[in-house]
Amino acid sequence: TQLLEQSPQFLSIQEGENLTVYCNSSSVFSSLQWYRQEPGEGPVLLVTVVTGGEVKKLKRLTFQFGDARKDSSLHITAAQPGDTGLYLCAGLRGGTYKYIFGTGTRLKVLA
Amino acid sequence: DSGVTQTPKHLITATGQRVTLRCSPRSGDLSVYWYQQSLDQGLQFLIQYYNGEERAKGNILERFSAQQFPDLHSELNLSSLELGDSALYFCASSPLGQNYGYTFGSGTRLTVV
Repeated sequence: TQLLEQSPQFLSIQEGENLTVYCNSSSVFSSLQWYRQEPGEGPVLLVTVVTGGEVKKLKRLTFQFGDARKDSSLHITAAQPGDTGLYLCAGLRGGTYKYIFGTGTRLKVLA
Repeated sequence: DSGVTQTPKHLITATGQRVTLRCSPRSGDLSVYWYQQSLDQGLQFLIQYYNGEERAKGNILERFSAQQFPDLHSELNLSSLELGDSALYFCASSPLGQNYGYTFGSGTRLTVV
């Protein structure tokens, strides 16, 4: 059973379009992180959210943590080819020491 | 360069063999995590060490073992290798505190033939 489900699994869009990626669970997390991974490299941390309802912006990327801290979303405005990659969410359950990674969303932005 | 160094970058070996993957964490980070990434399984947590001691264990096979040395570098040992062990193995490190993000290395691509 996968603790963190991401949707969509694959997404191919044109440059300039907007998109939203979702990360859902039935479990509550004390914090949640988003990473981007490019081929041949390790994931790179984009953001950490810890408070229910929290919204963080990173240039054209907007991250939101659900009020109940069970889900999160990543919205990209005016996507660019450089946004292409595998987007992973990772959640930390209370009382544990390790982040559990989601199933991933593979994004391709076409020029 | 993320600051986390993994060696070797690529490894090709035969079934039944034993290999050792090495990880040097980012300077100042006390925690080291090992993850396995394969196409159909995503990023799976294997094991965590904190300042030399095992802190958490995931779905790590009995054929796999790891340790963290006094200088904080870590090694992941994989033995009696099977074709299904072919995957990317990532090491990540983090400082003290659970809300800090992980810094990942570039990974070791293991191919078992």
